[in-house]
Amino acid sequence: QKEVEQNSGPLSVPEGAIASLNCTYSDRGSQSFFWYRQYSGKSPELIMSIYSNGDKEDGRFTAQLNKASQYVSLLIRDSQPSDSATYLCAVKRIKAAGNKLTFGGGTRVLVKP
Amino acid sequence: EPEVTQTPSHQVTQMGQEVILRCVPISNHLYFYWYRQILGQKVEFLVSFYNNEISEKSEIFDDQFSVERPDGSNFTLKIRSTKLEDSAMYFCASTGLAGKTYNEQFFGPGTRLTVL
Repeated sequence: QKEVEQNSGPLSVPEGAIASLNCTYSDRGSQSFFWYRQYSGKSPELIMSIYSNGDKEDGRFTAQLNKASQYVSLLIRDSQPSDSATYLCAVKRIKAAGNKLTFGGGTRVLVKP
Repeated sequence: EPEVTQTPSHQVTQMGQEVILRCVPISNHLYFYWYRQILGQKVEFLVSFYNNEISEKSEIFDDQFSVERPDGSNFTLKIRSTKLEDSAMYFCASTGLAGKTYNEQFFGPGTRLTVL
């Protein structure tokens, strides 16, 4: 069964702290990895994509990928109350367009002022 | 910034009725998708569409479902005879610019389908 696993949370972090989210995937053929943010009742919003092992930074967000361990993570620095949402990890078998996204169940993050 | 749009935002229907959910993908994108999310559950892939045909579909996408690109802009999902368990948020997504190596999928705001 090809799956994407995430801790459902909630992950409670104080404002200004670092939120650390983890995701593991079972399909070793996965080539593309994404983090989406989803506010309650809204659609997934892409915040990061990563395709190579290592770190990728974009503003307050850092994605980390380790294909050997089948593990991808997301760090949110200087967490703000507006970051309170569910963060979805998604993987895809190929880098190019086409092919479906397989989503994890999401980690709910609560940032407390 | 270009975005995927979907109509209607909320559709209420009686069990057994047909519904059509509409999407306008991002202009110049080549691949189109439908996903659904039952309340409290994961986002699940339904179907992908490229070059005017289905390129991949999930087990959920049975004979009750169909997709169509009736013109150059719209992409539709039809459910022929709705069931109670079809109640969910349905998201359209698009991706794929010609010549681009890496392609992210962008989601529309969704249509909430309620089957009574």
